[in-house]
Amino acid sequence: GAVVSQHPSRVICKSGTSVKIECRSLDFQATTMFWYRQFPKKSLMLMATSNEGSKATYEQGVEKDKFLINHASLTLSTLTVTSAHPEDSSFYICSAQTGGYSYEQYFGPGTRLTVT
Amino acid sequence: AQSVTQPDIHITVSEGASLELRCNYSYGATPYLFWYVQSPGQGLQLLLKYFSGDTLVQGIKGFEAEFKRSQSSFNLRKPSVHWSDAAEYFCARYNTDKLIFGTGTRLQVFP
Repeated sequence: GAVVSQHPSRVICKSGTSVKIECRSLDFQATTMFWYRQFPKKSLMLMATSNEGSKATYEQGVEKDKFLINHASLTLSTLTVTSAHPEDSSFYICSAQTGGYSYEQYFGPGTRLTVT
Repeated sequence: AQSVTQPDIHITVSEGASLELRCNYSYGATPYLFWYVQSPGQGLQLLLKYFSGDTLVQGIKGFEAEFKRSQSSFNLRKPSVHWSDAAEYFCARYNTDKLIFGTGTRLQVFP
């Protein structure tokens, strides 16, 4: 149980285009989903927290107009990188939380984004 | 600010040897602590967690961790490492609706 999927696993896009990454909780309802960014040989940096039906809460320094997050249902959240640039190339990981006082997050396998 | 420190960036052990990965946390009452493992190019898998109660926590894949309040530590241990344990290990604590991660320890296992 508690499986989180991400799609696509890898994506290459041209500079200036937008890319959408999907995060799905497959066997549970996720009241809260998180989006992280991980640079090579670095820790995970929380980008934003999204609650179903609400606007996402972005961490300081994360451009909300560049990284659009939608959490339209209890099983799906999307991250859209708008007008991507090479510096947006990274490994993006989502996680999902069931809510209540579980505190535990279940992580997706990640999406490798390369902007050329 | 509450934080998590993993002092060792890279550790190398021989297969079959014992392992201890260090994790220290700062501030707060009893923290909610986690250890995650990340294989190359993969997301994170939860190894174990500590919320309260018995300070020695058993996890998956033969790992355990001990919460020591006096030392503000939550070190991960395994008595005998397997080559498949080579990965990146992250300690994390829960703080105000989000996880705070340490910088990670890369484990390399030699045959």
